[in-house]
Amino acid sequence: DVKVTQSSRYLVKRTGEKVFLECVQDMDHENMFWYRQDPGLGLRLIYFSYDVKMKEKGDIPEGYSVSREKKERFSLILESASTNQTSMYLCASSTPGGGETEAFFGQGTRLTVV
Amino acid sequence: AQRVTQPEKLLSVFKGAPVELKCNYSYSGSPELFWYVQYSRQRLQLLLRHISRESIKGFTADLNKGETSFHLKKPFAQEEDSAMYYCALSVSGANSKLTFGKGITLSVRP
Repeated sequence: DVKVTQSSRYLVKRTGEKVFLECVQDMDHENMFWYRQDPGLGLRLIYFSYDVKMKEKGDIPEGYSVSREKKERFSLILESASTNQTSMYLCASSTPGGGETEAFFGQGTRLTVV
Repeated sequence: AQRVTQPEKLLSVFKGAPVELKCNYSYSGSPELFWYVQYSRQRLQLLLRHISRESIKGFTADLNKGETSFHLKKPFAQEEDSAMYYCALSVSGANSKLTFGKGITLSVRP
């Protein structure tokens, strides 16, 4: 079974804290993604990476950064957490784009910023 | 820019009724289209992709390039189909991102 594992299911952080969300995949996938999932807004892409040390901004990168030092691990960093970053965060991995590709998702991290 | 539009937020039907979940896309090239599903307390997972032209759990979807649509259909809904459904678009190539719509909640009543 493909596994995409996010380090935490639930996190509560204070405003201004630096927050790290970790994601690990075991399928040797090139692509990895970070989304946030909000009711009525669907999944919005924050950042994605298509190779080690490579990253591209998604649709809502402001307030976030990412790190991909190893192929299997993709970290999302909130430099200074704010209450409007309270959300469900989903990590995904896939092979390079194309009709046969399939994205595999982690279980999600529900982050609350107080 | 690539964009996916799901115009409805909620569809509620009775068991046995037909279902159509709408999806429209915007992309100037040749996109790859997908439907993903999230059942209660489960991970988001792939339901079907247009290139496979297959039926999964009784669902089908046809890519209509003229209307830029990829609607998901099922002739007879089951209660276990109740879930959140997302339409998604990708572009062939190594650096392609996967863009999702806002999703629609399908509720199938007994």
